[in-house]
Amino acid sequence: SQKIEQNSEALNIQEGKTATLTCNYTNYSPAYLQWYRQDPGRGPVFLLLIRENEKEKRKERLKVTFDTTLKQSLFHITASQPADSATYLCAVSSNTGKLIFGQGTTLQVKP
Amino acid sequence: EAQVTQNPRYLITVTGKKLTVTCSQNMNHEYMSWYRQDPGLGLRQIYYSMNVEVTDKGDVPEGYKVSRKEKRNFPLILESPSPNQTSLYFCASSLSGGRNYYNSPLHFGNGTRLTVT
Repeated sequence: SQKIEQNSEALNIQEGKTATLTCNYTNYSPAYLQWYRQDPGRGPVFLLLIRENEKEKRKERLKVTFDTTLKQSLFHITASQPADSATYLCAVSSNTGKLIFGQGTTLQVKP
Repeated sequence: EAQVTQNPRYLITVTGKKLTVTCSQNMNHEYMSWYRQDPGLGLRQIYYSMNVEVTDKGDVPEGYKVSRKEKRNFPLILESPSPNQTSLYFCASSLSGGRNYYNSPLHFGNGTRLTVT
């Protein structure tokens, strides 16, 4: 079955460092992959979308890569700040046209 | 302000008592969807709608109903709620309908936390 895996363990890093979150998928080849941020008690907020023919996408301090050979996307936050602390969700388009979400990875940036 | 509005934010009810969670968007989006979020299970799609009068089942539709009579509204109906429907519910919308909806960002509401006792 189609599966998306994000590291369930929280990621703790020091302010100013680069945070790297991983999204792995199996059993299909998505045409698109999206990343969202979710704060406690709030709805997810869209961050970035990357297409299968794009290797990398950037937006300010955010960078997403999409490796269709490894079936993996990496999400980087450079010069991280305590305000970046949140849960980050990846979502991939399935072969049925639906958007399937991973469980998310919680990032904690310490001052 | 462009937004998706859900009501209520919190709801406690008893088994079997019908309830409706409302969702409204002011962005003229074609696509709308309901998700539930549970610990360890992530976001799972309940129902979605590509456009007015067009609805379809997601991955976990049992026990839920929806309707899309107007473009802006997409209410979620629980005819006979049960404790296993205790969850955090999100409504979302995006600009594009059709098979390419997944290449448009989803805009989420702030959620409805439902407890069924």
